[in-house]
Amino acid sequence: QSVLTQPPSVSGAPGQRVTISCTGSSSNIGAGYDVHWYQQLPGTAPKLLMYGNSNRPSGVPDRFSGSKSGTSASLAITGLQAEDEADYYCQSYDSSLSGRGVFGGGTKLTVL
Amino acid sequence: QMQLVQSGAEVKKTGSSVKVSCMASGYTFTYRYLHWVRQAPGQALEWMGWITPFNGNTNYAQKFQDRVTITRDRSMITAYMELSSLRSEDTAMYYCAISTTVTTEFDYWGQGTLVTVSS
Repeated sequence: QSVLTQPPSVSGAPGQRVTISCTGSSSNIGAGYDVHWYQQLPGTAPKLLMYGNSNRPSGVPDRFSGSKSGTSASLAITGLQAEDEADYYCQSYDSSLSGRGVFGGGTKLTVL
Repeated sequence: QMQLVQSGAEVKKTGSSVKVSCMASGYTFTYRYLHWVRQAPGQALEWMGWITPFNGNTNYAQKFQDRVTITRDRSMITAYMELSSLRSEDTAMYYCAISTTVTTEFDYWGQGTLVTVSS
């Protein structure tokens, strides 16, 4: 059971917009800790996609955006492309149990 | 540029131990937290623990507290993750990753080390 909750899957047609939610609690996202997002293509290591809730690393298209409110965060992808098909994970810090990193259960994005 | 290179795949027997290495380059080794994250086949990412290479302080996930040891060799700019009392459920890809602080993003990742545990 992951500490952060994500939908197992989302899908959309090319060109459409999809969002992926990430729900936490008062000891992680709700405590003010930033949310970060990773993209994992099949057979590869995770890659940083979004940091500090809404900041894109260099090289990440502006089709990707992030937001955070209360105990939840969201990743939005507009203008879906076939290459976006991947697993997406949210991650934050949790202050319980002397502090720990926590991940969501991952969301599989299928481009129809 | 910053890079983390991990040791090769391992096949282990149940009850034994495995030690995976992660060699850093392109940044000052002691300035970044180094984390270990694992991913069982078809499963989510799971944080295992971190080390501060500057002083060797560690923090482990409760789930692995009794079985994991993370160490570093500053002269070799390498971190290690040793997992003991292996069971089949420990079959997974193990990644190292770095962050600036414990709350910031994991901005660089190793390529992963596959550990297979069988009887």
